[in-house]
Amino acid sequence: EAQVTQNPRYLITVTGKKLTVTCSQNMNHEYMSWYRQDPGLGLRQIYYSMNVEVTDKGDVPEGYKVSRKEKRNFPLILESPSPNQTSLYFCASSPRTLGETQYFGPGTRLLVL
Amino acid sequence: QQQVKQSPQSLIVQKGGISIINCAYENTAFDYFPWYQQFPGKGPALLIAIRPDVSEKKEGRFTISFNKSAKQFSLHIMDSQPGDSATYFCAAGSGGSNYKLTFGKGTLLTVNP
Repeated sequence: EAQVTQNPRYLITVTGKKLTVTCSQNMNHEYMSWYRQDPGLGLRQIYYSMNVEVTDKGDVPEGYKVSRKEKRNFPLILESPSPNQTSLYFCASSPRTLGETQYFGPGTRLLVL
Repeated sequence: QQQVKQSPQSLIVQKGGISIINCAYENTAFDYFPWYQQFPGKGPALLIAIRPDVSEKKEGRFTISFNKSAKQFSLHIMDSQPGDSATYFCAAGSGGSNYKLTFGKGTLLTVNP
């Protein structure tokens, strides 16, 4: 089944404790992206990647890191999480370019205490 | 600076009625305008999208109307059904070297039976 998977789905952590949220797609998509969703703010793009080793900042990249060493994986790294990073995070992928359907993962709900 | 403004925040419609959600954008470089549908606990899913070379696109009960001069676009849901109850997001993006998508803040649609 074609899908985008994220792990973990739920995570509670404490301020400053490094964490990684994994994202994997099995559709051989070139484009991948991370979003955060907050009430009243909609979806905001954190980082995106157009291909292996090619990443760029979205609208809210502060406090996040990404890497794209393999085509299928696009992990999101929070080196020193803070409470304002409490949010619902979505990973998405699409075949090639903007304009092609973006497939979203199921989401990761993060709480930073 | 919010580049895509979406209204209303919430909308209640009776079954069989027409649901209309509006979006306005500022960046004239945007050339791709998708609408996403999100059910509770799920990731967003692409519903319908339009490019500025056409003024209207229809897929089943869903229609996008696009007004390039006014920098506005809207989603019309005809014969609204309770199963359409979800959060709807408009978005805008530009191709070329920039694959960023900017989302509106979302509209919570409730269709009463």
